[in-house]
Amino acid sequence: QKEVEQNSGPLSVPEGAIASLNCTYSDRGSQSFFWYRQYSGKSPELIMFIYSNGDKEDGRFTAQLNKASQYVSLLIRDSQPSDSATYLCAVGLWQAGTALIFGKGTTLSVSS
Amino acid sequence: DTAVSQTPKYLVTQMGNDKSIKCEQNLGHDTMYWYKQDSKKFLKIMFSYNNKELIINETVPNRFSPKSPDKAHLNLHINSLELGDSAVYFCASSQDERGVVGELFFGEGSRLTVL
Repeated sequence: QKEVEQNSGPLSVPEGAIASLNCTYSDRGSQSFFWYRQYSGKSPELIMFIYSNGDKEDGRFTAQLNKASQYVSLLIRDSQPSDSATYLCAVGLWQAGTALIFGKGTTLSVSS
Repeated sequence: DTAVSQTPKYLVTQMGNDKSIKCEQNLGHDTMYWYKQDSKKFLKIMFSYNNKELIINETVPNRFSPKSPDKAHLNLHINSLELGDSAVYFCASSQDERGVVGELFFGEGSRLTVL
């Protein structure tokens, strides 16, 4: 059974702080890793993807991947109230078919 | 031009009825999906089609029947609707390369309410 685990939150941070979101996955064969943001009533939108171990930065967002520990994280620097949303970790595994497996999401609340 | 479009956006119906949701993508992607998102926001894969062929069929009641007439369309038909079918259904597509699952592009979702 392929599983992706996230803390459901809510994670509350003040405006301007760093928000740290974590995700672990069960299948060592996982090859692609994604962070999606979902506002209430909207569809998920891609924030970042990462395929290789290490860090990947894009503006205020940094994704970190550690395949040995089966761990993916997303750091949001200088958090803004507009970052308040549910963040979904998704993991891709090519095995007898394709699909991204999602975690249950972490709700982030940024207070001004 | 919307990349992944689904219709209808809202469906309210009675238990026991049959309903369909349609999805179209204009991205030229080979793979399309149906995901179900429950009230707790958990996105669960239901079906995956690659070039019109069913690839993934998770543990979904056989009241749910997907159909892909061509690689740009994936429809979902639900028979004998039950209260527990109430959810938001998302269609998505992706272009996978060299065996690696790529980014999913989502439609806006279809909110189904069964009374």
